[in-house]
Amino acid sequence: SQQGEEDPQALSIQEGENATMNCSYKTSINNLQWYRQNSGRGLVHLILIRSNEREKHSGRLRVTLDTSKKSSSLLITASRAADTASYFCARLGGAGNMLTFGGGTRLMVKP
Amino acid sequence: NAGVMQNPRHLVRRRGQEARLRCSPMKGHSHVYWYRQLPEEGLKFMVYLQKENIIDESGMPKERFSAEFPKEGPSILRIQQVVRGDSAAYFCASSPGTGDSYEQYFGPGTRLTVT
Repeated sequence: SQQGEEDPQALSIQEGENATMNCSYKTSINNLQWYRQNSGRGLVHLILIRSNEREKHSGRLRVTLDTSKKSSSLLITASRAADTASYFCARLGGAGNMLTFGGGTRLMVKP
Repeated sequence: NAGVMQNPRHLVRRRGQEARLRCSPMKGHSHVYWYRQLPEEGLKFMVYLQKENIIDESGMPKERFSAEFPKEGPSILRIQQVVRGDSAAYFCASSPGTGDSYEQYFGPGTRLTVT
């Protein structure tokens, strides 16, 4: 089964508002990563949070991790139209150290 | 330093034809991953290769799909006798090592359409 289920599946907000996306996973992790994908493009790595970290910041991004609940959240503050994209959480693991992605949250920021 | 390069960016094939997708990793990266993304879904791991070796192909269909990463040249994902269900975006990622200290860098993807 797929690790990392994001919710909501789709989110529409106005420019300037904050956007929160959540990710749940099933097994233990060493870290959780968040990626952004603009329509029709490749993935861009946003932030990695390790299992011993609770919160991490990068510019307007804030990621939290609750290992007891097996969940993480990505907060984008003061959103911009350019933040419109799909956002995925991913777990690194397996013999091949591959990434296992959730289904993603499609964020639309209206100007 | 050029990023991960994939070509072609778009590929149209008729059912039964072969599709060859190429991936050139970032300079200095010897680890290559292939992922497939169906419309409105997340990426799913297919295969992990190092130079001249397939390390993990647990996500790749047993039939019609193969991958290689030769000593020289790009990594190739080959799909024989394509079917409509193979229509998807195929992404390649590379990294300089394995483990959670290493980020995977993604290419722009190849969008395969099977008609």
